[in-house]
Amino acid sequence: EAGVAQSPRYKIIEKRQSVAFWCNPISGHATLYWYQQILGQGPKLLIQFQNNGVVDDSQLPKDRFSAERLKGVDSTLKIQPAKLEDSAVYLCASSFDRGSQAFFGQGTRLTVV
Amino acid sequence: AQSVAQPEDQVNVAEGNPLTVKCTYSVSGNPYLFWYVQYPNRGLQFLLKYITGDNLVKGSYGFEAEFNKSQTSFHLKKPSALVSDSALYFCAFFTQTGANNLFFGTGTRLTVIP
Repeated sequence: EAGVAQSPRYKIIEKRQSVAFWCNPISGHATLYWYQQILGQGPKLLIQFQNNGVVDDSQLPKDRFSAERLKGVDSTLKIQPAKLEDSAVYLCASSFDRGSQAFFGQGTRLTVV
Repeated sequence: AQSVAQPEDQVNVAEGNPLTVKCTYSVSGNPYLFWYVQYPNRGLQFLLKYITGDNLVKGSYGFEAEFNKSQTSFHLKKPSALVSDSALYFCAFFTQTGANNLFFGTGTRLTVIP
């Protein structure tokens, strides 16, 4: 069974630039999460999708972050404009349904300079 | 507010000795608790979970965890540590109300010394 795929693996951008991350969840998984993991900290939930709908985006900084899952499969997370403090690993996870075991991708390491 | 706490940022243990990574929870209702491990430059990997049933849960790579309701703890254990167990360990829980989100503790770095 293929795992959660994320791209790119690494990204370096200058502050005020924009960046997008892509996630392809495990086939058949309805629930998709995006997390931000700053070095030395635990993952922080940004947004949860159920199919193509947003379940919870209460922790997403909506002035600069946006995410979509238009067809209920792949998802993109965008940051515009980026700030230095956005430097982190962005993790995507999927699960069969809400409350079931979540599987994580390898993450995208973003460095904002 | 619901949460899990990992009181130790760092745990060092000698190879072959038993290891314990601590987690306490403050979760309403019946908690769904998890342990994940993160190796360098890799994503989070599921180790084990407690939802209901036996308080002692067995997981991957020889790890186990004991759910203790009276102490609100869910400590991760292994009888004999390996150098390859050195990694970052996260305790996590699912909220069972609202959005059913998965929240993580701050993590404990385990170092197994040869």
